[in-house]
Amino acid sequence: GENVEQHPSTLSVQEGDSAVIKCTYSDSASNYFPWYKQELGKRPQLIIDIRSNVGEKKDQRIAVTLNKTAKHFSLHITETQPEDSAVYFCAASTPLASGTYKYIFGTGTRLKVLA
Amino acid sequence: AAGVIQSPRHLIKEKRETATLKCYPIPRHDTVYWYQQGPGQDPQFLISFYEKMQSDKGSIPDRFSAQQFSDYHSELNMSSLELGDSALYFCASSLRRGRDSGNTIYFGEGSWLTVV
Repeated sequence: GENVEQHPSTLSVQEGDSAVIKCTYSDSASNYFPWYKQELGKRPQLIIDIRSNVGEKKDQRIAVTLNKTAKHFSLHITETQPEDSAVYFCAASTPLASGTYKYIFGTGTRLKVLA
Repeated sequence: AAGVIQSPRHLIKEKRETATLKCYPIPRHDTVYWYQQGPGQDPQFLISFYEKMQSDKGSIPDRFSAQQFSDYHSELNMSSLELGDSALYFCASSLRRGRDSGNTIYFGEGSWLTVV
């Protein structure tokens, strides 16, 4: 079945450094790729997303890149801050015949930013 | 802005009991998704509904059922509860768009279910 692989599972960086999280999806029909940040016991919150007709998107310190050919997409966080510490999930969304979408989540990356 | 509302936020049940979780989507959203998240796990898709009809089914056990009502709220019914059902259950909602648009799903705060 469809799956989304996410690496690394844990990532520690020094404050001010960059962090990169990578995902690979299997379903070539996937056309929307959101990233969620989840703090302990809280709900996943959308931080950035990218659609399949775009190769890169940036929002302040956060950027996402998409390589449709390789079925890879990545999250880049620059100038990391302690409040960036959380679990980050990528997801791949695929349209269904019903007109709705299937979302498959990656296994998550626990990011720790060291002060 | 209004968000996805879930109730109850916390629930403790004994084995073999039944539990019902409720979800009220963002106003005008027509699609509801249910996810189960165990400790340290990624959200696992259970089931989704669009316009009160089931649109997709994931790893939902046969002991669980769900439906979406005419006001678009949804309920997840869980029977014969097992210890392994203890998890955080999220509801998410979205507004259906064109096939090439993708759609963003927004999560509720979740319902913590503890089975003892």
